[in-house]
Amino acid sequence: QLQLQESGPGLVKPSENLSLTCTISGDSIGSGRYYWGWTRQPPGKGLEWIGSLGYSGTTYYNPSLKSRVTISVDTSKNQFSLRLTSVTAADTSIYFCARHHVSIVSNSPGYYMDVWGKGTTVIVSS
Amino acid sequence: EIVLTQSPGTLSLSPGERATLSCRTSQSVSNSYLAWYQQKPGQAPRLIMFGASSRATGIPDRFSGRGSGTDYTLTISGLEPEDFAVYYCQLYGNSPSWTFGQGTKVEI
Repeated sequence: QLQLQESGPGLVKPSENLSLTCTISGDSIGSGRYYWGWTRQPPGKGLEWIGSLGYSGTTYYNPSLKSRVTISVDTSKNQFSLRLTSVTAADTSIYFCARHHVSIVSNSPGYYMDVWGKGTTVIVSS
Repeated sequence: EIVLTQSPGTLSLSPGERATLSCRTSQSVSNSYLAWYQQKPGQAPRLIMFGASSRATGIPDRFSGRGSGTDYTLTISGLEPEDFAVYYCQLYGNSPSWTFGQGTKVEI
């Protein structure tokens, strides 16, 4: 059974960089059958897509975060990671990783998030 | 950028009643690439519906989705106590990029 587990520091100082890792069990990130990505949720607010990792390492980022976000993969560890630079209090959130399952209609693929990790809370504070 | 607007913000209902949640997009959605997620307090979102009307694995048939173009609806016929939660619609596959609505809370 597929499981995703987020990990990383729970507290980050303003202006520093945030790094999180999502470890996959029950599937191989190297299979090339799925996309993988990150979504966050500020306290008491809604969901915000951060970015996703496609086939062959292609990345897609939310335009509002693109200048600060990097998503990378480590197939040897079956993990993918998020790096968010120059964080502020506005980056305080629960960060979720998720698998994206492909759906193809009229030869056009779409990727919905079918399996999620439980999330990890990151607080930005000095 | 396509904007998703969910209504109402909060839906106050009793167990056994029917819930109708709306998601309107600012532009037409290609291939009905719209999903619905359920989120309970302290939990991750859970996929309920994809392709506007296809139930995810393990989702009971009291959940149904419909819509096309810019107007989508999630209906829960006969609310069970475990259905009280926040529901988000999501556009996927456009560009590709992913966008969420602001959520509808279904409360008792």
